[in-house]
Amino acid sequence: RKEVEQDPGPFNVPEGATVAFNCTYSNSASQSFFWYRQDCRKEPKLLMSVYSSGNEDGRFTAQLNRASQYISLLIRDSKLSDSATYLCVVTLPTDSWGKLQFGAGTQVVVTP
Amino acid sequence: DVKVTQSSRYLVKRTGEKVFLECVQDMDHENMFWYRQDPGLGLRLIYFSYDVKMKEKGDIPEGYSVSREKKERFSLILESASTNQTSMYLCASNAPGEYSGNTIYFGEGSWLTVV
Repeated sequence: RKEVEQDPGPFNVPEGATVAFNCTYSNSASQSFFWYRQDCRKEPKLLMSVYSSGNEDGRFTAQLNRASQYISLLIRDSKLSDSATYLCVVTLPTDSWGKLQFGAGTQVVVTP
Repeated sequence: DVKVTQSSRYLVKRTGEKVFLECVQDMDHENMFWYRQDPGLGLRLIYFSYDVKMKEKGDIPEGYSVSREKKERFSLILESASTNQTSMYLCASNAPGEYSGNTIYFGEGSWLTVV
């Protein structure tokens, strides 16, 4: 079983709509959580950290549910430029050297 | 502007060739990583290094070796390239500890095709 699992999608979203997707993690000791964005044939870049109380960054909202062991990302008022693959990233306390656990990504396609 | 630079973006190599992928970071990060990324499999860690001359195997080290002689430089070596090593290779660096997840920076990737 993978440490971090994501629905690969694609999620096809009309421009202006809302899309949400989850990421589940297997280790209850997971410590830190992040969403990264990766454009086609480009490197991943940090989108946002995920805090226990949930957090927003503009049109993006991230939530953490420790009891059910998943994090979520919601994108409101989707833009064409939001089309990308969104990677879920998790750290474990044992990864003291800064190793990260990556999900395989959820592809989002925003259509006009 | 922080930078992780992978010197080779696109390479085509023959089976059996020795391949060197070079990575340099300018952020004075202790940690450096080599990942490969394949469709449906996501990023898989090959090797990482937490200090000069230190290295640890990741999840898929077979067929690869690494070298870190200077803090800013981390090289990935394919001793004898095989077709199943055709992939995109990503170098990354970060600082250890609590904020490792939001301090990781990636290079632009090296697309390797082995024929």
